[in-house]
Amino acid sequence: ETGVTQTPRHLVMGMTNKKSLKCEQHLGHNAMYWYKQSAKKPLELMFVYNFKEQTENNSVPSRFSPECPNSSHLFLHLHTLQPEDSALYLCASSQDPSVTDTQYFGPGTRLTVL
Amino acid sequence: AQSVSQHNHHVILSEAASLELGCNYSYGGTVNLFWYVQYPGQHLQLLLKYFSGDPLVKGIKGFEAEFIKSKFSFNLRKPSVQWSDTAEYFCAVNPNNAGNMLTFGGGTRLMVKP
Repeated sequence: ETGVTQTPRHLVMGMTNKKSLKCEQHLGHNAMYWYKQSAKKPLELMFVYNFKEQTENNSVPSRFSPECPNSSHLFLHLHTLQPEDSALYLCASSQDPSVTDTQYFGPGTRLTVL
Repeated sequence: AQSVSQHNHHVILSEAASLELGCNYSYGGTVNLFWYVQYPGQHLQLLLKYFSGDPLVKGIKGFEAEFIKSKFSFNLRKPSVQWSDTAEYFCAVNPNNAGNMLTFGGGTRLMVKP
């Protein structure tokens, strides 16, 4: 299964570090999503991109900076994170964000902020 | 804002037992409903979905769910579980006027004892 891939799978970083998460989808979809899955909390939508344009920012702090250079790739740039940002970050894609449809998820990046 | 409640956080069953996982949502308008499953070490994947029509929806691996509009519920059922059904199950809601934005429940972790 190589529909949606994410790298790295695990990341440990200090609060002063800058790192990036990468997501790539091989499904020909036009919409991509970032979700945060924290312990004991529901999966939370962070950002939505449609044809490289950001269509949703769910009140995410500016220390998370998404980038979508094309409809197949999505990045999440991280800087000056806090320990409470430790979580599983999931990427997903779908055909069109304006239409209800199945979202296909990647395996996630397990982030630990020290 | 809408919310999704999954009241059972952990469920332990023996093989061949029947399963019912609860999902309730708070939204007064028309909704689309999903159940996603995450098997150990695997991606989150779609189990079944309801958009309209017959409120009893059948999904993969013998799962089904029933939409009861009057109860704002979309409970997941399986008549006879198998050890391979051990996984975490997530209910998600998409209001009909919200594009492809999903609100997830907190998940139910199911363990099936062989």
